[in-house]
Amino acid sequence: AQTVTQSQPEMSVQEAETVTLSCTYDTSESDYYLFWYKQPPSRQMILVIRQEAYKQQNATENRFSVNFQKAAKSFSLKISDSQLGDAAMYFCAYRSPIPVSSGDKLTFGTGTRLAVRP
Amino acid sequence: GAGVSQSPSNKVTEKGKDVELRCDPISGHTALYWYRQSLGQGLEFLIYFQGNSAPDKSGLPSDRFSAERTGGSVSTLTIQRTQQEDSAVYLCASSLGGRAYEQYFGPGTRLTVT
Repeated sequence: AQTVTQSQPEMSVQEAETVTLSCTYDTSESDYYLFWYKQPPSRQMILVIRQEAYKQQNATENRFSVNFQKAAKSFSLKISDSQLGDAAMYFCAYRSPIPVSSGDKLTFGTGTRLAVRP
Repeated sequence: GAGVSQSPSNKVTEKGKDVELRCDPISGHTALYWYRQSLGQGLEFLIYFQGNSAPDKSGLPSDRFSAERTGGSVSTLTIQRTQQEDSAVYLCASSLGGRAYEQYFGPGTRLTVT
C-alpha cells in the first residue's frame, strides 16, 4: 500500500518570504499523480497543484511550485511571496493510476500547518 | 456553478445512536468519495462510488459504517451505534471520474460523539 509522509507538523513564514513544505511517499508503482491540497479553517479542501509522475518537468501554478524527485520519492511544495491568505493546513496526496489495484482514491499525509507572520 | 454540499455542517450525538450524513455532489459528476479526517490526522479514504459500478468499500473501518448513493447523485453515509472514536470531520468529494479529473471537496460534517 502507498504511504505519504509529511514530517513538518507546523511551519511559519514571514509575509512576502518563501517557504518549502516537505512530502515523501512510498510506492511500487511507476505512474501516479501527486497533489498538494490547502485546507483553510473553512475545512474545504482546495487543490493547489498537481504533478503527473511521468512528467519530468516540475509543475508550477503562479506562486506555487513543486520539486518532484521521483527517484527519491520526494514531492515538496514551494510557496513564493507568501501572503496572509496562504495560512492553512497543507496536505500532500497520492493517487494511483487507473486501472487501479487500490481503487480511485487519494492517500493523504498528516498535513503541515502553515502560519504566515505579517 | 454550485459546489459539493454537505449536511449537516455539525452534528453532536450520543454514544450508541445512529447518524446519517448527506452529500450532494456537483451536478454531472459520476464519481463520489467519502473521507474521514480525525483530529491531527490526514484524510482517510472510506468509500468510493463510480457510476453504476459496485462501490469500493475497502476503507470502511467497521460494519457499523455504510453508504449509499441514490440515482447516481446524492449520497448518505450512515454510522450505526456511534462510538466516541467516530468523532471526526467527514468529507465528501466528487469528480467527473477517471484519472484526469480533480476531486472537488465539500465543507465536511463535523461529528462529535459524546
